[in-house]
Amino acid sequence: EIVLTQSPGTLSLSPGERATLSCRASQSVSSGYLAWYQQKPGQAPRLLIYGASSRATGIPDRFSGSGSGTDFTLTISRLEPEDFAVYYCQQYGSSPYTFGQGTKLEIK
Amino acid sequence: QVQLQESGPGLVKPSQTLSLTCTVSGGSLSSGGYYWSWIRQHPGKGLEWIGYIYYSGSTYSNPSLESRVTISVDTSKNQFSLKLSSVTAADTAVYYCAREEAVAGTSLGFDIWGQGTMVTVSS
Repeated sequence: EIVLTQSPGTLSLSPGERATLSCRASQSVSSGYLAWYQQKPGQAPRLLIYGASSRATGIPDRFSGSGSGTDFTLTISRLEPEDFAVYYCQQYGSSPYTFGQGTKLEIK
Repeated sequence: QVQLQESGPGLVKPSQTLSLTCTVSGGSLSSGGYYWSWIRQHPGKGLEWIGYIYYSGSTYSNPSLESRVTISVDTSKNQFSLKLSSVTAADTAVYYCAREEAVAGTSLGFDIWGQGTMVTVSS
């Protein structure tokens, strides 16, 4: 199975700053089938990005995804207060689907 | 607007079978183009995909759980279900059902999730 490693584990930033989250796969993710999710306490994850770089419906354009092969990045261009949460990457290019361990984005 | 809702016992005894149902509202489970998954999250931990089912009944499960997992669908009730047998404390988690859209064979990720239901395995 493909193991996804996210870094950093915790990212401390201030509103208005730029956030860069990394997701590295243990082997190439087929066809860029990589998604990013946001999860807030007590809530289900919310799809942000699919296909490595396509924004899901209703997701603000300050969220962007990039990457291919084994290295992927989620960028939040200018942090809003509601963006502080845990972010997960997920690959669905090969079975079983797997998730990264998460990056916690906290207010500095 | 499609919504998913998990239901089932919140407490299951060790060695017994965990049974959950996900009810789809606002749309038809059998409309095609969607895979219906179960995903769990251990307390304070990350996410683990359990398996999916298509409305036709075809399924695929995570090999790590495959021997204990049964996923089924009831299109007449617009529901799909999860059974996990021989549970232990390690199966204590929040269980989510989720929809995965597939367009022309290309997945678009899990776009709709249920709110999740906490299941504790304890005697």
